[in-house]
Amino acid sequence: QVQLQESGPGLVKPSQTLSLTCTVSGGSISSDTYYWSWIRQPAGKGLEWIGRTSPHGYTNYNPSLESRVTISLDTSKIQFSLKLSSVTAADTAVYYCARNRAFTDDALDIWGQGTVITVSS
Amino acid sequence: QSVLTQPPSASGTPGQRVTISCSGSSSDIGSNTVNWYQQLPGTAPKLLIYNNNQRPSGVPDRFSASKSGTSASLAISGLQSEDEADYYCAAWDDSLSGRVFGGGTKLTVL
Repeated sequence: QVQLQESGPGLVKPSQTLSLTCTVSGGSISSDTYYWSWIRQPAGKGLEWIGRTSPHGYTNYNPSLESRVTISLDTSKIQFSLKLSSVTAADTAVYYCARNRAFTDDALDIWGQGTVITVSS
Repeated sequence: QSVLTQPPSASGTPGQRVTISCSGSSSDIGSNTVNWYQQLPGTAPKLLIYNNNQRPSGVPDRFSASKSGTSASLAISGLQSEDEADYYCAAWDDSLSGRVFGGGTKLTVL
């Protein structure tokens, strides 16, 4: 049973870089069958897709965040990460990582429980 | 403002059938599969429907979905109190080269 778990600092100061990690257990992240994605959700609001990476490092990012986002994979640690630079209060949200089925239905079929990130001085 | 348009709220009484619409464009729903997610209060979203109308293992057959042109819809029959949740549609957008979500529909079971 594949499970995903986000980890991060909880609190980030404005203008700093937010770094989050998603640890995958019970499976591999090297398979071409899946991409690995990040999604966020401000309190009381809807879901916003941040981006995804393939096992070979091919990435897609939300155009509205692309200039500040980097998603990367560490297959040796079975983790993937999100870096979001120059954060502001608008980046305060619950951040989710998710497994993204590739080549078939593009579904986000397994989600982490989410981690709360607050941007504040 | 979300790329895919959903009604912000829907409601029904136990046993009723409710539908939730999702409207998009030729570059998203019109060109790609639609997936639906259920988010129970205080929890992470869960895949509810994939490939327009397929249910993952464990999802009751009370949940069904369809797609036509640039629109999709989710139907819940035999409404139960545990169905009270937020529901999101999603699709890939070829013009953005990114995934887009609907704004979400909050379903209330009266």
